[in-house]
Parts: sequence; structure tokens; C-alpha cells
Amino acid sequence: DAKTTQPNSMESNEEEPVHLPCNHSTISGTDYIHWYRQLPSQGPEYVIHGLTSNVNNRMASLAIAEDRKSSTLILHRATLRDAAVYYCIGGSQGNLIFGKGTKLSVKP
Amino acid sequence: NAGVMQNPRHLVRRRGQEARLRCSPMKGHSHVYWYRQLPEEGLKFMVYLQKENIIDESGMPKERFSAEFPKEGPSILRIQQVVRGDSAAYFCASSPQHGDLYGYTFGSGTRLTVV
Repeated sequence: DAKTTQPNSMESNEEEPVHLPCNHSTISGTDYIHWYRQLPSQGPEYVIHGLTSNVNNRMASLAIAEDRKSSTLILHRATLRDAAVYYCIGGSQGNLIFGKGTKLSVKP
Repeated sequence: NAGVMQNPRHLVRRRGQEARLRCSPMKGHSHVYWYRQLPEEGLKFMVYLQKENIIDESGMPKERFSAEFPKEGPSILRIQQVVRGDSAAYFCASSPQHGDLYGYTFGSGTRLTVV
């Protein structure tokens, strides 16, 4: 599994886009990149995951660098409900390795 | 299906008692994963089970902890003779197949407090 590096915290204004970066330079060619988020006192919530191509869903977009050593989670319009800890995880096969994540604060 | 269901939501046990945590995966999901989150820390993988089989228990403490996923019924994480250090949030996740092609759906967790 790849070691990932994320900023400890980020701030955003409501209704503005947010770009959450993640470095995963040791990722292997078959490791997916997963993003989960966790609100206080709740379980992790799946956000998005991808292998090589950029991915979009109703929650977010995932931009994966061509060399796959980094990726960016994009929330197109942050809301107050997006305030959470965001975890970037490289590969798993069920054994997701959660680091410290990025604590996202959203200001009204 | 309301998603991955875990119960109880909160559990208080005295030192030395047993704790039984239950997890019902999403409908159609036959792969279950248990994680533990200590206060102010990230989640740590404990065990991966399919129906009636333990596939990977590399994250399970060697003593007092066991897990099962019977043919019928929920998956059970059992902690015998609990100690204060077992106080944590325990999360269960499920997936329709093993591997990363599909994401993992987590439950809301069981918060165990040992007094």
C-alpha cells in the first residue's frame, strides 16, 4: 500500500471550489486512489476513487496526475456540510490505511 | 437497505466483561471489514471476513479479540475480558466483492467505553 501525504488542514469559503491535494509517490500501478471523509462521531463516508483516469461523481471530482504520484480531490462548491476530515488512501484490497487526513473547515 | 448497520451504537462495559459488536453488511455484500479508531487517531484495519471465513486477520490483537461472519446473521466482533485500552470506536465496512474496484461502505460505528 502506498504512503500518502496530505496537508493537516485547509480552509474554504462556502460555495467556492476546494482542491484537496494528496501525494502518493510510492503507489503501485494497480493501486486505486481512494478518498473518504469523516464527520465527528460518524463513520467514514466514501467520496470517490479511481485508478488512472480522472473520475467524477455527484459528490466530487478526482484528478489523478499522469504519473499517478499525486491526486487532487475537487469539491466544486463547498457547503458547510462538507466540513470534515478527508482521507486519501493509496491501494487497499480491503485494508484501507487511514492517515491523519486533511481537516477541511468551511466558512460561511 | 439502509446501508451497513452496526449495533449497539454505544456500549459500556466494566473491565473484565465481554463486548459483542454486531455488523450487518449492505444487501448483496458478502465481504466485511472491521476497523478500530482510538481517540484522536485514524482508523486501523483489524480483520476481513467473507461468509463463514476469516480471510485476513493481520490487524487483530492476538488475544481476547475474535471475529466471525456466519452463514446467517450479522458479523460479530467479540472482545473478551475488556480493558480500558479497548475503549474506541469500532467500524465495520462492507463491499460486494473483494478488491478495490468497488468502494467500501462504512457503518456508523459502535463506541465502546470500558469503565
